[in-house]
Amino acid sequence: QVQLVQSGAEVKKPGASVKVSCKASGYTFKNYGITWVRQAPGQGLEWMGWISGYNGKTNYAQKFQGRVTVSTDRSTSTAYMELRSLTSDDTAVYYCAREDRMFADYWGQGALVTVSS
Amino acid sequence: QSALTQPRSVSGSPGQSVTISCTGTSSDASDYNYVSWYQQHPGEVPKLMIYDVTKRPSGVPDRFSGAMSDNTAFLAISGLQAEDEADYYCCSYAGRYTWVFGGGTKLTVL
Repeated sequence: QVQLVQSGAEVKKPGASVKVSCKASGYTFKNYGITWVRQAPGQGLEWMGWISGYNGKTNYAQKFQGRVTVSTDRSTSTAYMELRSLTSDDTAVYYCAREDRMFADYWGQGALVTVSS
Repeated sequence: QSALTQPRSVSGSPGQSVTISCTGTSSDASDYNYVSWYQQHPGEVPKLMIYDVTKRPSGVPDRFSGAMSDNTAFLAISGLQAEDEADYYCCSYAGRYTWVFGGGTKLTVL
């Protein structure tokens, strides 16, 4: 069965960086993309970026350009999302999801990132 | 890309039908057939309910259906059940492999 297992909760100080991992199993990693979505407390879903599982091509939401990097390690079927220069506004649950032709069919359990001094 | 526009809340009684709208700009939903809908119960992970505007993943009841007209997508839920009470988000491909979500709609089953 398809599973996406994310790394655990993190607490970071303002200005720091965070790197969230997302280990995929149950499918051929290179045949799908991985998309990253975040959700601030009490707020809606916000799309952050996408990476191809085939060739590592990436695209990011304008809002996060220059501050986020999405990568993959195909040898371990793991995707990563690094967000830099954190502020309190980045406190959110970060989700990875498998992307299949522009929709997210399987989601990770989410990783809470708290930014606090 | 600006977020797609959804009503903040809708409600209906058990057995009734409700429709949630999702309005985008001309560069978003109306140019592509890549609209999806997600259901999220409090504290849970989003769940795919509709993709490619009208298609249902296996396991999603046929009470859920999707449609599109001009630059507005719709999620219709018939025969409302208590477990349908949740937040619903539309999502559209916005070109250049970017996506945009709607602000979300809270469905209350009265």
